[in-house]
Amino acid sequence: GQQLNQSPQSMFIQEGEDVSMNCTSSSIFNTWLWYKQDPGEGPVLLIALYKAGELTSNGRLTAQFGITRKDSFLNISASIPSDVGIYFCAGGTGNQFYFGTGTSLTVIP
Amino acid sequence: DGGITQSPKYLFRKEGQNVTLSCEQNLNHDAMYWYRQDPGQGLRLIYYSQIVNDFQKGDIAEGYSVSREKKESFPLTVTSAQKNPTAFYLCASSIRDANYGYTFGSGTRLTVV
Repeated sequence: GQQLNQSPQSMFIQEGEDVSMNCTSSSIFNTWLWYKQDPGEGPVLLIALYKAGELTSNGRLTAQFGITRKDSFLNISASIPSDVGIYFCAGGTGNQFYFGTGTSLTVIP
Repeated sequence: DGGITQSPKYLFRKEGQNVTLSCEQNLNHDAMYWYRQDPGQGLRLIYYSQIVNDFQKGDIAEGYSVSREKKESFPLTVTSAQKNPTAFYLCASSIRDANYGYTFGSGTRLTVV
């Protein structure tokens, strides 16, 4: 099975800073999904993207579906302590989705 | 409140024993999935089911078995044939397929002792 390349692997930032992370694949996908996982819990869907070039926001979060359809980006603006967690991308179609290795975010108050 | 319930939260198993992880959803979702998560890795698909009495292997199905006798339930059995079963197991569901995103349970951490 395929795994997506997600970077950075981890980030340590000051509260109030903006965050950027990305996900790349060798395959073209029709859908990109971004999830956040708290320790010991299941991931929660943040944003879903369905069209190349699409830019979608959810509060302080903004995600983009790359034009090549092989990548996606997630930005978090003005980070707060509760943004701490692991962020996963997932690309795929139908019932076949592949997940990135995750970006661990630590926000320092 | 609708959601997915996984039980137990923590499970310890002796080597050579089969163990069954429970997953129940009351979201009226058609599709259900089992994923395995290992430290520092993304989620990997074990099995999925789109309708009752039908299921498909994912990328790492060897050593696992599932059943889908009811729409609400999709139990996963980790058999003794699974060589490295210690992991965090996540169950998920979706309305029809995963394009609109999964709803995940809170996971079961299985440790083989």
